[in-house]
Amino acid sequence: GAVVSQHPSWVICKSGTSVKIECRSLDFQATTMFWYRQFPKQSLMLMATSNEGSKATYEQGVEKDKFLINHASLTLSTLTVTSAHPEDSSFYICSAGTGGPSTDTQYFGPGTRLTVL
Amino acid sequence: GENVEQHPSTLSVQEGDSAVIKCTYSDSASNYFPWYKQELGKGPQLIIDIRSNVGEKKDQRIAVTLNKTAKHFSLHITETQPEDSAVYFCAASIQGYQKVTFGTGTKLQVIP
Repeated sequence: GAVVSQHPSWVICKSGTSVKIECRSLDFQATTMFWYRQFPKQSLMLMATSNEGSKATYEQGVEKDKFLINHASLTLSTLTVTSAHPEDSSFYICSAGTGGPSTDTQYFGPGTRLTVL
Repeated sequence: GENVEQHPSTLSVQEGDSAVIKCTYSDSASNYFPWYKQELGKGPQLIIDIRSNVGEKKDQRIAVTLNKTAKHFSLHITETQPEDSAVYFCAASIQGYQKVTFGTGTKLQVIP
């Protein structure tokens, strides 16, 4: 149980275009989903927290107009990188949690490799 | 906010030996400490976690210890195997809030 999927697993796009990444919890309902960014040989950096039906909470320094997050249902969150540039190239990972005081384990997706040319 | 430090950054052990990774955290309110294993090109996988009401937890070859007074926790892998080679991340969070702060990672190499 507790499987999180991401689509696509990798994407290459031209500079200036927008890219959408989907994150789905396959066998549980996720009240909260998280989006991380990871550069090579570095740790995971939290970008934003999204709760179903409400606006995402962005971490300091993350441009909300550039990284649009939509958590439309309890099983789906999307991250759209708008007007992508080469510096946005990175490994994007989502995670999902079931919420609650004793069920705060996060389950991670397999990640999406974004390359902007 | 929470700050998690992790050591060592790289660790090489011979197959069959034990590996120990140590982490310290700064926020005394943190009470949930998961450990993740990340293989190249993949997302992190939860391998074990511990909550503040427990000092030690074991799952087969993996164990985690927690010292709340000193604010540090450790991952112990015994009888290491080549498939244990990966990057390991410790993390800390406040139970119920779900926001997790990750350590800097340890690249473990198990030499056959």
